[in-house]
Amino acid sequence: EAQVTQNPRYLITVTGKKLTVTCSQNMNHEYMSWYRQDPGLGLRQIYYSMNVEVTDKGDVPEGYKVSRKEKRNFPLILESPSPNQTSLYFCASSLFPDSPYEQYFGPGTRLTVT
Amino acid sequence: AQKVTQAQTEISVVEKEDVTLDCVYETRDTTYYLFWYKQPPSGELVFLIRRNSFDEQNEISGRYSWNFQKSTSSFNFTITASQVVDSAVYFCALRAFFSGTYKYIFGTGTRLKVLA
Repeated sequence: EAQVTQNPRYLITVTGKKLTVTCSQNMNHEYMSWYRQDPGLGLRQIYYSMNVEVTDKGDVPEGYKVSRKEKRNFPLILESPSPNQTSLYFCASSLFPDSPYEQYFGPGTRLTVT
Repeated sequence: AQKVTQAQTEISVVEKEDVTLDCVYETRDTTYYLFWYKQPPSGELVFLIRRNSFDEQNEISGRYSWNFQKSTSSFNFTITASQVVDSAVYFCALRAFFSGTYKYIFGTGTRLKVLA
């Protein structure tokens, strides 16, 4: 089954404790992206990747890191999480960066930083 | 500027009523794509439709229909004879070439509540 998976689905952590949210897709998509969803703000892009080893900042990259060492995986790293990073996070992928195709979204990760 | 505006934050209707969700976009691109996604209470994002900027034909899929008008930069979504299962947050999105790359820009979403 074609899908984007994210882990964990729920995470409660404390300020400053490094964490990683994994994202994996099995569709051989080149383009992958991370979004955060906050009430009243919709989805905002954090980082995206056009292909392996090619990543770039989205609209709200501060406090986040990503890597793309393999085509299928695109982990999101919070080196020192803060309460303002409490949010719902989505990973997404699409076939090519310049393709008109829709993005496929993972199920979401709800992160709470206390 | 590239922007998507969904001015309706929340809409409540009674089952079987028709409802239209508005989406207004801004872009300087001549080639762009518009999308609608549904986010039910379970939280996942479900793709509904894609429309390119050269195709202004309206689209109908069952009870769902979409009206794309370039003249008013709008891509509105109508649900006919709404059902409780239509209760969700709906997002409109724009994919355009911006600052040297393709970007997806989402609106802030419209929460639709369909009451039995």
